[in-house]
Formats: sequence, C-alpha cells, structure tokens
Amino acid sequence: DVKVTQSSRYLVKRTGEKVFLECVQDMDHENMFWYRQDPGLGLRLIYFSYDVKMKEKGDIPEGYSVSREKKERFSLILESASTNQTSMYLCASSSSDITPYEQYFGPGTRLTVT
Amino acid sequence: SQKIEQNSEALNIQEGKTATLTCNYTNYSPAYLQWYRQDPGRGPVFLLLIRENEKEKRKERLKVTFDTTLKQSLFHITASQPADSATYLCALEYTGGFKTIFGAGTRLFVKA
Repeated sequence: DVKVTQSSRYLVKRTGEKVFLECVQDMDHENMFWYRQDPGLGLRLIYFSYDVKMKEKGDIPEGYSVSREKKERFSLILESASTNQTSMYLCASSSSDITPYEQYFGPGTRLTVT
Repeated sequence: SQKIEQNSEALNIQEGKTATLTCNYTNYSPAYLQWYRQDPGRGPVFLLLIRENEKEKRKERLKVTFDTTLKQSLFHITASQPADSATYLCALEYTGGFKTIFGAGTRLFVKA
C-alpha cells in the first residue's frame, strides 16, 4: 500500500516563525502536492512538484515555499508564519505512469499560528 | 475560473437507504471526475473515478454518474451503513494537467 507520512499531526507556532512541514512517500511517485484545507473552502493547492528539484505554483502560493531535494520528500515552508495560515495542511502524491492521477494523501498536519 | 459546488449541508439518512450526493461544476468539462472519502482528522482516500466519455461507474455499493450536459456528477451509496458516515469530496482533473480541483465536500451521516 502507498504510504504518505507527514512529520507532525499537530503543530503550534508563533507569528513570524519559520515553519517546516515535511512529507515523505514510499511509492516512488513522481508527483507530490501540498494543499491546505479550510472549512467550506475545500482543498486548495499551494504548490506541486512533478520531479526532483521541480516545483510549480498552485492556486495560493503566497507566503509559502517548497523544496524537493529527493524524490520521496517534499517540504512546505512558511517563511514567516501568520495567523491566517492556521489550517489543515495535506500532502499528497501520485504516479505519472498511471493516468488519471489518483492522489494518495497523508494524514494531515493541523497547524495553529498564534 | 473553474468552480465545483457540493451541497454544504450535511446529508442525514437512515441505515439501509441510498445516499445520493451531488457535484456540480462550471465552465468546461473535465477529463476525469473523482470521488474521495475523508474521515475526521484524516486525509482523503480515493474511491472512484469516471471519465468524460463514461455515463456511469460502479464499485460494490458505490455508483457514480457523470452528465456533461448538466455539468453534474451524482455519487450514490446503496444499502448505506453507519460506517459510511464521512465527508465525500468531488474532484475534477483536466487532460494533461497535474492540478486537481476539489470541492468542499458533503458530510454524510448514516443513522442506525
């Protein structure tokens, strides 16, 4: 079974802190994604990556950056956390070999910025 | 921009009945439409996919229909069980794209 793991389930940070969210997948998937999920808004794509060292902006990239140095790992960075970044963050991966791109999600990180 | 609408109100049904969830989208039709299930505090899990040239897809107690004229997909769970209680997300994917657009989901409660 595909497994996507995220470094933390719950995280509390202060405004202005730099925050790192880590995601690791074990299925050798080419594509990885970061979403945030807020009530009533659904999942919104922050960034995605289709290869090592490649990244593309999603719909709401402002205030975030990403890093993909290894195929299995995709990191989301909040350069200077703000209270409006309090949210559930979900990482996902998918294979480019199998279309359509069914996505496998991690358990999520609930981030609170105070 | 593309928009997906799912009923924001929760759906409450009795065990054994058929649950029907609706997904409406605007603008151009996607190549694929997917349904995911999400339990509280967990990430979504893929359930079913239907392609633009398919009218209906089934998997065990699940059935999905896709009407490109109405720009609508219906997701049915027959003989529903309390264990089916969850939030169900509709997602659209376009040909050649990596981006999948998700709806906000509909919460389903199945009472015993």
